[in-house]
Amino acid sequence: QKEVEQNSGPLSVPEGAIASLNCTYSDRVSQSFFWYRQYSGKSPELIMSIYSNGDKEDGRFTAQLNKASQYVSLLIRDSQPSDSATYLCAVRGTGRRALTFGSGTRLQVQP
Amino acid sequence: EPEVTQTPSHQVTQMGQEVILRCVPISNHLYFYWYRQILGQKVEFLVSFYNNEISEKSEIFDDQFSVERPDGSNFTLKIRSTKLEDSAMYFCASKSGLNQDEQFFGPGTRLTVL
Repeated sequence: QKEVEQNSGPLSVPEGAIASLNCTYSDRVSQSFFWYRQYSGKSPELIMSIYSNGDKEDGRFTAQLNKASQYVSLLIRDSQPSDSATYLCAVRGTGRRALTFGSGTRLQVQP
Repeated sequence: EPEVTQTPSHQVTQMGQEVILRCVPISNHLYFYWYRQILGQKVEFLVSFYNNEISEKSEIFDDQFSVERPDGSNFTLKIRSTKLEDSAMYFCASKSGLNQDEQFFGPGTRLTVL
């Protein structure tokens, strides 16, 4: 069973702070890694993708991937109350079409 | 910006009835998916579809489920005889497949089986 694990939270940070979200995965040969944001009652919205080791930055978001440790993270700089949502880590394994999702980390940004 | 669209937004049905959930993937995308999310649980993969055939399916996607691309734009999920446990949000997603691996999700259909 290929698993993606996330701390369910809630992770509470003050407005303007850095939020750090973490994810581990069990399938060592996973190829593609994604972070989705999901507001309550809404669909997953893609915010970052990362395919190789290291950091990838896009605006206030930085994704970090360490395949040796089977670990992927998302940093959100200058957190805003509108960032309050559940952040889903998703992984696609080699040879597979499907994304395997974690259960998500709920982020609360306090004004 | 192109989006995946889904209809209806909410479907209520009686146990044992057939339902068809509809999706219009992003134009020019080649790969199509259905996922579901039971309230409070993870997003779960159901099926992927490419080149007019199923390319992968999960254990959830049993004989009660089927998918179809009846024309050049629609992608449908049919549940033949709904059960109470089929109540969930059903998300359609699509991917261009042209040197990118990102799946984009539609707004979902909330299915309630009574």
